[in-house]
Amino acid sequence: QSALTQPPSVSGSPGQSVTISCTGTSSDIGSYYRVSWYQQPPGTAPKLMIYEVSNRPSGVPDRFSGSKSGNTASLTISGLQAEDEADYYCNSFTRSGTWVFGGGTKLTVL
Amino acid sequence: QITLKESGPTLVKPTQTLTLTCRFSGFSLRTGGVSVGWIRQPPGKALEWLALIFWDDDKRYSPSLRSRLTITKDTSENQVVLTMTNLDPVDTGTYYCAHMNVYNSYVMDVWGQGTTVTVSS
Repeated sequence: QSALTQPPSVSGSPGQSVTISCTGTSSDIGSYYRVSWYQQPPGTAPKLMIYEVSNRPSGVPDRFSGSKSGNTASLTISGLQAEDEADYYCNSFTRSGTWVFGGGTKLTVL
Repeated sequence: QITLKESGPTLVKPTQTLTLTCRFSGFSLRTGGVSVGWIRQPPGKALEWLALIFWDDDKRYSPSLRSRLTITKDTSENQVVLTMTNLDPVDTGTYYCAHMNVYNSYVMDVWGQGTTVTVSS
C-alpha cells in the first residue's frame, strides 16, 4: 500500500482558514469513513484531532473540521491561531485490514 | 485514564533484532474491541503504520514490513511487544505505540510519548 498523498506545506495568516487535502484510493479513503487526522508540533507525539472523517474528540476546538469526497479527505482549520502551527497527518483504514498514513503537511502560520 | 509508554534499546547494530515494549494502563487487552498498534517516524519524515494486535490475538502488519515484524501481547502484564528483525540504518527513528478500540472507532486515539531508536554500527 502506498502512503496517502498530502501537500508538503500550507500556510495562512492568523484568522484565516486553510484546508489540507489527503488523497488515497478506492481501497482506503474511498472505501471507508475511517479517516483520521493528527496534529504533531515539533518534538511531540501526534495528537488526534479528527476521527471518522468529521468527528472531533473532546477538547478539540470546533475550528477544526473534516470532510471527505470520493478518494480525498480534507482537514479545514478556520480562524487560524499561532498555536496551530504543526505537522498534520491523515490516516485511513484500508481494504487490506491495515492502516496507512499520509506523507504529512507542514502548516505555517504567517 | 489511558496511558502508554514505549521502551527499548536506544542503539542497535545493523542486522540485529529490535525488541520494543509498550506498557499500558487504563484499559485491558482482554476487553472486546481493544487493540494496540505500533507506528514509527524516521527523523524529519512521516509517520508509518507498522502493526496492530487485537484483543482476540488477531494481528495485522504493514505489507512492506510483514516479513520482519512480529507483534505479541502479554495480557497479564498489560504490555505489547514488537520485534523487528534484520535492522538497517533506515529503521532509525521514533517508535510509538497507540490504543484503539474498534467497537468505538477505527482510530488510534491515545499515543505513547515514543522511544527513539538509532541503528548504527
